[in-house]
Formats: sequence, C-alpha cells, structure tokens
Amino acid sequence: GESVGLHLPTLSVQEGDNSIINCAYSNSASDYFIWYKQESGKGPQFIIDIRSNMDKRQGQRVTVLLNKTVKHLSLQIAATQPGDSAVYFCAENTLGTGRRALTFGSGTRLQVQP
Amino acid sequence: KAGVTQTPRYLIKTRGQQVTLSCSPISGHRSVSWYQQTPGQGLQFLFEYFSETQRNKGNFPGRFSGRQFSNSRSEMNVSTLELGDSALYLCASSLQTPGVTGELFFGEGSRLTVL
Repeated sequence: GESVGLHLPTLSVQEGDNSIINCAYSNSASDYFIWYKQESGKGPQFIIDIRSNMDKRQGQRVTVLLNKTVKHLSLQIAATQPGDSAVYFCAENTLGTGRRALTFGSGTRLQVQP
Repeated sequence: KAGVTQTPRYLIKTRGQQVTLSCSPISGHRSVSWYQQTPGQGLQFLFEYFSETQRNKGNFPGRFSGRQFSNSRSEMNVSTLELGDSALYLCASSLQTPGVTGELFFGEGSRLTVL
C-alpha cells in the first residue's frame, strides 16, 4: 500500500479497547470540524463532523469532542477493531468565509493489536 | 452508486514535463475539490470548482491549474514538473454549494512520481 506519512504519531491499542485520537487546531475562527480515516492505498473516508455550536457528537462507535477554549478536538472509538487500523486526520474549515477548503491535521496512525 | 473516480492511478514523469489528472465526481455532485498529499506536508488544498468555475484556490504556484466541465468532471494540470511535485493527488466531490461545507467524498487518488 501507499505510505501516507513516514513519521506519523502512532497509537497502538488492543482489540476491544477504546481509542482516543487527539487533534489541536490553530485557527480560532474555525467553526466546522471533520474526522477522516485513510486506509493504505485509499482516499480519506468521512467518519464524523461537528460544528462549533456543539461540544460533543456521537456516531456509531465514534464520538467527537470539541473544546474551543483550548482549540482541541478528539475522536473516541469504542471497542476498537482490527478494521479500524488506519491513519486518522482531523480537518477544519470556517463556514462563514464562503471559502470551501479544508485544513487537515498531520494525522495519527492507529494500530489495533489482535 | 459509483464513487469518485480518478485516472490514472499511477504515473511517472520526468522533471520539466507536464501532467493532466482526471476526476469524475459522484453522479449529481457539482462541487469538485483537489488536494495534494505528501509525507512532509500532509494534505493540502489545491482548488475547488463548482459549476465550471474555480471558487477557491490554495497556496500553490501557477504551474498548478484545473478546470471543470459541464458534466462536473474535472481535470488538474501541473506544468514544468519538479521533483517536489511527487505526491498523491486526491479529488473530492460534494453535493454542497460553495461556502457550505458538507461531506466530501474522496477518490483513491493519482500517485504521481517525478524523476
């Protein structure tokens, strides 16, 4: 498969455990945030999004938490499975500008040990 | 329904050449965005097209250009290739109109290697 990043921070967890992936953003004007999953050889896949008027949003096995005070975003994956192994990116945008361009974080590699 | 299709998947060029990459969005999607992905710089926004018009542009030199056709298919072109242009080029399509970010659906990318 294609290497997404050679020196990504790596989170290694045991199958069945919960995973928490963190992301810090710098633009205080950002008001829309997305988490993407990228498997080797594939394009990023949408996981979950959240707007700045919320601090928590839940999906299937995933929860995103947003702390605007410290500009921090986290993705929690419950009961992590081997199929969750991938690189995870957070992305941000500012809806009010009309500029439709996501700014991506550098990514975190999640390795799930069976 | 079919996803975002990018062609070619892999290509090798030499410095100074030019390259054209193609993207077919999901049927019904009118917004197409392009991103460059490298190990060093990560994912960076190149440009976005909607209704055949470039709506937004990232911080890339003029060697990088694109266009969108009436059927929403898009192409991007890189002229006078440099070694640093080696990257995975990703296309993403969306139903949303410009200024309203919605879910982006990415293709699998075109892997460009410049020798």
